[in-house]
Amino acid sequence: GAVVSQHPSRVICKSGTSVKIECRSLDFQATTMFWYRQFPKKSLMLMATSNEGSKATYEQGVEKDKFLINHASLTLSTLTVTSAHPEDSSFYICSAGEYYGYTFGSGTRLTVV
Amino acid sequence: GENVEQHPSTLSVQEGDSAVIKCTYSDSASNYFPWYKQELGKRPQLIIDIRSNVGEKKDQRIAVTLNKTAKHFSLHITETQPEDSAVYFCAAGRSGNTPLVFGKGTRLSVIA
Repeated sequence: GAVVSQHPSRVICKSGTSVKIECRSLDFQATTMFWYRQFPKKSLMLMATSNEGSKATYEQGVEKDKFLINHASLTLSTLTVTSAHPEDSSFYICSAGEYYGYTFGSGTRLTVV
Repeated sequence: GENVEQHPSTLSVQEGDSAVIKCTYSDSASNYFPWYKQELGKRPQLIIDIRSNVGEKKDQRIAVTLNKTAKHFSLHITETQPEDSAVYFCAAGRSGNTPLVFGKGTRLSVIA
């Protein structure tokens, strides 16, 4: 079946630095990628929707200048957390939407110290 | 936009008993309703899904029912086992270019 490869799986960074998370669709083309954030013991909250070749659409309350999303090709979407702060520590996960369903990446646990 | 409500938030059952988790959704255009099981620190794992042209679907000990008129769907787990203990999320969406919207999750504990 369809596979979305997400990297890194875990990252620890210092406050003020930036972190890039990559999601690659393997063996299929993902024209749309959804990015979610999950805080401990909470549900998955949609952050933004990225479409190949166009600007991402952000959900209300998500800072587009802080969470930069790039979807430059049909197989790669990236999320960059800029100037990270401890409150950005969370589990980030991408999902490619397809006609028959959705395929999730394995997630990235970000810890900002 | 879509809003998904999920109940209960926590559920404890004795091993061998059944567990039922219920969700409601608001967008009548939603036509895809998956259920995910998530273990600590891992990605959600799809355990069963149902589309709006079907009222019920079963896979071994797991079943899902959908009532489109009432806009609610339920997950049924029979003969529960300790390894069923996890957080379960329902979601609603339209396949394709629209995102899944998740319920808040149910923490299921199966007591041996």
